[in-house]
Amino acid sequence: DIQMTQSPYTVSASVGDRVTITCRASQSISNWLAWYQQKPGKAPKLLIYKASNVESGVPSRFSGSGSGTEFTLTISSLQPDDFATYYCQQYRRYPLTFGGGTKVEIK
Amino acid sequence: EVQVVESGGGLVQPGRSLRLSCTASGFTFGDYAVTWFRQAAGKGLEWVGVIRSKAYGGTTVFAASVEDRFTISRDDSKSVAYLQMNSLETEDTAVYYCARGVYDSSGYLDTFDIWGQGTVVTVSS
Repeated sequence: DIQMTQSPYTVSASVGDRVTITCRASQSISNWLAWYQQKPGKAPKLLIYKASNVESGVPSRFSGSGSGTEFTLTISSLQPDDFATYYCQQYRRYPLTFGGGTKVEIK
Repeated sequence: EVQVVESGGGLVQPGRSLRLSCTASGFTFGDYAVTWFRQAAGKGLEWVGVIRSKAYGGTTVFAASVEDRFTISRDDSKSVAYLQMNSLETEDTAVYYCARGVYDSSGYLDTFDIWGQGTVVTVSS
């Protein structure tokens, strides 16, 4: 199975900060990577697919980059609505696997 | 509105069965794959299984932890997919989500873009 490792586990940040979350795959997944945002008690929301494609309706402050085994999700200017947990997911091979999540907290 | 809605969750004893439904609306259900995920309380996301669209064989793939116990089927005429869960274990307790799987032009699953709100399954005696 492909292991996905996210870092950091928690990010403490203020409104307006630039936030970067990293996801590493245990083997190359090309660009078959998605990022999701999840708020407590809610379903995950797709933000980014194929590593760098922003889902329709997602604010432009969210961007994704990377290929192979190293990927990043960047929030260019953190907004109050962005405090949530973020997950990466590989879909290069079954079983589909997720990173452990990164919680973005208010500093 | 494009959406999927899960239903059928509840409290069930270990060893018993439960069937979840994923009902779609607002799009041509048969053109898409359906994927099930789950999330135990306070834990991360886990993939459960997928059923491909009929155009790609309608076949299923499962996580190792459920492949001998769970099945997925679909009724495109009703825009519904089902997750049949047998021999349930306490470790299967979770919120179960279904999500739409979108194919790219090469037939690979491109995104899992529409998720339901989830249905809670509790396995306990």
